[in-house]
Amino acid sequence: QKEVEQDPGPLSVPEGAIVSLNCTYSNSAFQYFMWYRQYSRKGPELLMYTYSSGNKEDGRFTAQVDKSSKYISLFIRDSQPSDSATYLCAMKAAGNKLTFGGGTRVLVKP
Amino acid sequence: SAVISQKPSRDICQRGTSLTIQCQVDSQVTMMFWYRQQPGQSLTLIATANQGSEATYESGFVIDKFPISRPNLTFSTLTVSNMSPEDSSIYLCSVEEGRGEQYFGPGTRLTVT
Repeated sequence: QKEVEQDPGPLSVPEGAIVSLNCTYSNSAFQYFMWYRQYSRKGPELLMYTYSSGNKEDGRFTAQVDKSSKYISLFIRDSQPSDSATYLCAMKAAGNKLTFGGGTRVLVKP
Repeated sequence: SAVISQKPSRDICQRGTSLTIQCQVDSQVTMMFWYRQQPGQSLTLIATANQGSEATYESGFVIDKFPISRPNLTFSTLTVSNMSPEDSSIYLCSVEEGRGEQYFGPGTRLTVT
């Protein structure tokens, strides 16, 4: 079993819909949680960074961390075709390396 | 956040040759990393580039195949040696900033023929 599980998708939604992305993990030592967006042929771009449990909002993006369930989510409101990309979750324990999920392909249709 | 550049952005190389990829950061950073992303896959950590000492390699990666230099706090190189088609990937450098978040460069797309 992988340390971080992420549904590969693809996830197809109409423009304006809410995109919901999730990752589950098994390592209870993970404390730092990140979401990256990666366009084709580009490097990953850090979207959201959260420490420990709770919610964080930045514009159309909301990240949630539930450490008791070992579950993190990213919500994208009012999705746009420009949000079409692969979204990667990543997490780490203090002082340790970053562990990535497999990535979810998202397609927002006009 | 740090601005990271990589050279070259892409290359096509013949098997048996070597390619050195450069990573430049616009600010001094302690932690720099090299990743590989094979087609359609997620990111795999190759090594942590340590300034002034040897890199720390992950399981499955060895110094003879992927020698790394880190001469100062803003620059690192990764060499892919004796290449085979299986080395065709995107190679990415990243840096870690104060709170533990990591930022990535644009990547180097390598094709080995």
